[in-house]
Amino acid sequence: SQQGEEDPQALSIQEGENATMNCSYKTSINNLQWYRQNSGRGLVHLILIRSNEREKHSGRLRVTLDTSKKSSSLLITASRAADTASYFCATHPRDDYKLSFGAGTTVTVRA
Amino acid sequence: GAVVSQHPSWVICKSGTSVKIECRSLDFQATTMFWYRQFPKQSLMLMATSNEGSKATYEQGVEKDKFLINHASLTLSTLTVTSAHPEDSSFYICSARPGTESSPLHFGNGTRLTVT
Repeated sequence: SQQGEEDPQALSIQEGENATMNCSYKTSINNLQWYRQNSGRGLVHLILIRSNEREKHSGRLRVTLDTSKKSSSLLITASRAADTASYFCATHPRDDYKLSFGAGTTVTVRA
Repeated sequence: GAVVSQHPSWVICKSGTSVKIECRSLDFQATTMFWYRQFPKQSLMLMATSNEGSKATYEQGVEKDKFLINHASLTLSTLTVTSAHPEDSSFYICSARPGTESSPLHFGNGTRLTVT
């Protein structure tokens, strides 16, 4: 089942700008993960943040997690054309082994 | 890193025929693999969990007799779409975890199925 809701659905930015997308979820989680999907391809794992973590960085990516609000954000800094893709959050519920994916945010970075 | 290979990447078949999609973990063993379906511009919908050496666990609403899953070894799971119809046309993606239940999934590149 799909428990994550992401916004915005689509985002268009200029190369060099930052891109921020948000994810909200409903149940208690063990961790929250962000994935990227290039058009017509499988998903690639970007970053995992555990429920006891509030912020995590990986290169140009910054993820925050607010378990009290059941929300997370993904920030891509200094975007590049190659960052054009769909981004999905996925939650790992406490009482389930299956990941639940959000609806995704489509990011277009204009050169 | 852990690699999941999915084959074929695309297939076109006629209505009424069956299509088999393979998912292999190339450098790790996977007792569990997951099969997803994705419609254009939508999220992934989990179809079933493939368990090595036992029956797959299907999600509600997914017909197990139509989508046959076999996980005969620790590195291979197959999804067979039987008696395919145009409404089965979709993007099918498999994934597996090389580590614990909390570790990230590694995905195949997906299979674009078109049923004519």
